[in-house]
Amino acid sequence: DGGITQSPKYLFRKEGQNVTLSCEQNLNHDAMYWYRQDPGQGLRLIYYSQIVNDFQKGDIAEGYSVSREKKESFPLTVTSAQKNPTAFYLCASSFFLNSPLHFGNGTRLTVT
Amino acid sequence: ELKVEQNPLFLSMQEGKNYTIYCNYSTTSDRLYWYRQDPGKSLESLFVLLSNGAVKQEGRLMASLDTKARLSTLHITAAVHDLSATYFCAVDISGNQFYFGTGTSLTVIP
Repeated sequence: DGGITQSPKYLFRKEGQNVTLSCEQNLNHDAMYWYRQDPGQGLRLIYYSQIVNDFQKGDIAEGYSVSREKKESFPLTVTSAQKNPTAFYLCASSFFLNSPLHFGNGTRLTVT
Repeated sequence: ELKVEQNPLFLSMQEGKNYTIYCNYSTTSDRLYWYRQDPGKSLESLFVLLSNGAVKQEGRLMASLDTKARLSTLHITAAVHDLSATYFCAVDISGNQFYFGTGTSLTVIP
């Protein structure tokens, strides 16, 4: 079955450590996205990518980095520069233009 | 800055009743999406609205889009407990940038 796989489901890190969240899709979608969700809030866009080797910052890109070396993969690194990294992170993908986002099951990151 | 506002933010309704959730947005767009999120889970696509006047229905849910008023509605008919979830609208302003509302948390009470 086609879908988006995020791993791990839960992640715990100490302050000051970088951490990378995995996102893989086998839907042959062109575009991929990373969103952050905080309790009781909507989703905020971190980064998105429309094609391989190209990506754009969203509204809250500071303290995050991404790469898009393969169409199927869009990993997100949460760096130590992110001041408040504890959140629920959602990866999504879509065909280019006029199609809904398909979401992975999310990674819940806790930094202490 | 694009703003997407939903109301109400919290909705508690009895089974069998009808209600409407509203999604207002601040810039021109004719592409709007509705999603459902169950607690602790990911988002599931419900409706895709791609033109002014678009109306989509699935079971007890019906969504509509008025691009001139910059307003979408999600109407719930004869609510059942299984509809309890958080509902998000999302506006697409450029074909690949989605801006989400804050969500409406719906609880259906027996």
